[in-house]
Amino acid sequence: EIVMTQSPATLSVSPGERATLSCRASQSVSSNLAWYQQKPGQAPRLLIYGASTRATGIPARFSGSGSGTEFTLTISSLQSEDFAVYYCQQYNNWPRFTFGGGTKVEIK
Amino acid sequence: QVQLQESGPGLVKPSETLSLTCAVSGYSISSGYYWGWIRQPPGKGLEWIGSIYHSGSTYYNPSLKSRVTISVDTSKNQFSLKLSSVTAADTAVYYCARLYYDILTGSRYDYWGQGTLVTVSS
Repeated sequence: EIVMTQSPATLSVSPGERATLSCRASQSVSSNLAWYQQKPGQAPRLLIYGASTRATGIPARFSGSGSGTEFTLTISSLQSEDFAVYYCQQYNNWPRFTFGGGTKVEIK
Repeated sequence: QVQLQESGPGLVKPSETLSLTCAVSGYSISSGYYWGWIRQPPGKGLEWIGSIYHSGSTYYNPSLKSRVTISVDTSKNQFSLKLSSVTAADTAVYYCARLYYDILTGSRYDYWGQGTLVTVSS
């Protein structure tokens, strides 16, 4: 099983600031990585796939980078609606697509 | 617009079988893609349970495989989850989702149901 590790567990950021979230895979997943946003009481929402491609309707302030084992999700200027939990997920190891433990982005 | 909706009992007794159904609208399951179940214990992360193709081909999380059955009913455009011998550890929000795939960009869960909380308790 490929283990996905996200850091930090919690990130405190002021509105308008940049947030940088990390995701590390226990072995290479190439660019087969997705990011999801989850707000309280809601289902996860696809943000990024292919490590860096924004899903339909996702604002340009969200960007993803990385390949192999190290990945980053950057939110360039946090808006109030961006405070949520973010999960990375690898889909290199069909069909067992494992998720990271999540990073909570909270208001500083 | 693809929509998924989970349904089933919100309370299941220990040792019994949890049964959920996911109704899909806006897309025919027979047209392709895999369809999956993912769960999230209260306050915790996401765990993949298993996936099914419209043909009935299934994949299960090895940690749950002995207790999980996923089936599909293309005539009703829905798929179902059964998890047997449940314990309190199976208490979670259960989501159904579409597993999109294309050869260029790979896979991802692009449409999700709203989720349904299932509590295991006597």
